Amino acid sequence: DQQVKQNSPSLSVQEGRISILNCDYTNSMFDYFLWYKKYPAEGPTFLISISSIKDKNEDGRFTVFLNKSAKHLSLHIVPSQPGDSAVYFCAASGDSGGSNYKLTFGKGTLLTVNP
Amino acid sequence: DAGVIQSPRHEVTEMGQEVTLRCKPISGHNSLFWYRQTMMRGLELLIYFNNNVPIDDSGMPEDRFSAKMPNASFSTLKIQPSEPRDSAVYFCASSRTPGSYEQYFGPGTRLTVT
Repeated sequence: DQQVKQNSPSLSVQEGRISILNCDYTNSMFDYFLWYKKYPAEGPTFLISISSIKDKNEDGRFTVFLNKSAKHLSLHIVPSQPGDSAVYFCAASGDSGGSNYKLTFGKGTLLTVNP
Repeated sequence: DAGVIQSPRHEVTEMGQEVTLRCKPISGHNSLFWYRQTMMRGLELLIYFNNNVPIDDSGMPEDRFSAKMPNASFSTLKIQPSEPRDSAVYFCASSRTPGSYEQYFGPGTRLTVT
């Protein structure tokens, strides 16, 4: 049973346009969410995060939105650049009472930004 | 600063052989995580150590898998005996807890069992 779902395996956008990556979760105990970016032959790298007490967090071109009632979060990249082409993973944590820092990952979305 | 270091980067072995993967976490990080990535299951947590103590090993697939963390700067993941279905990329990650959910990943070990 997947607790974190990224239903779009891939997304293609034009350079300069907005990229929107989506993530849904089923476990209402999750209270912290992260996005990771992964290039081929490298490990995932942390991109941005959001706590459940917020509905938006922004860092430069990257913004994460959280809709707790819908159990949905999204990552917006504006403007998209060819170097953003990578696999993006959504991750969630907090379902163990705060004493376990493990993350549950979605399966990822491959973003391709075309020049 | 050095990130998480994993060795080897690639491992090819025959079914039935023992495989040992190694990880050196970032200095000062007190939590260490082993993950496995496959096409079918994505990125799944195998085991999580905090202050060298295993906290959650619910993701370890079976008794053929074992992990140790003898000190704060070294961990191993061992598969004995290995099987073709163990072929995957294995990642090690570390973080500083409590207070941070952000994990820093190593480059991974690509394991192929023939």
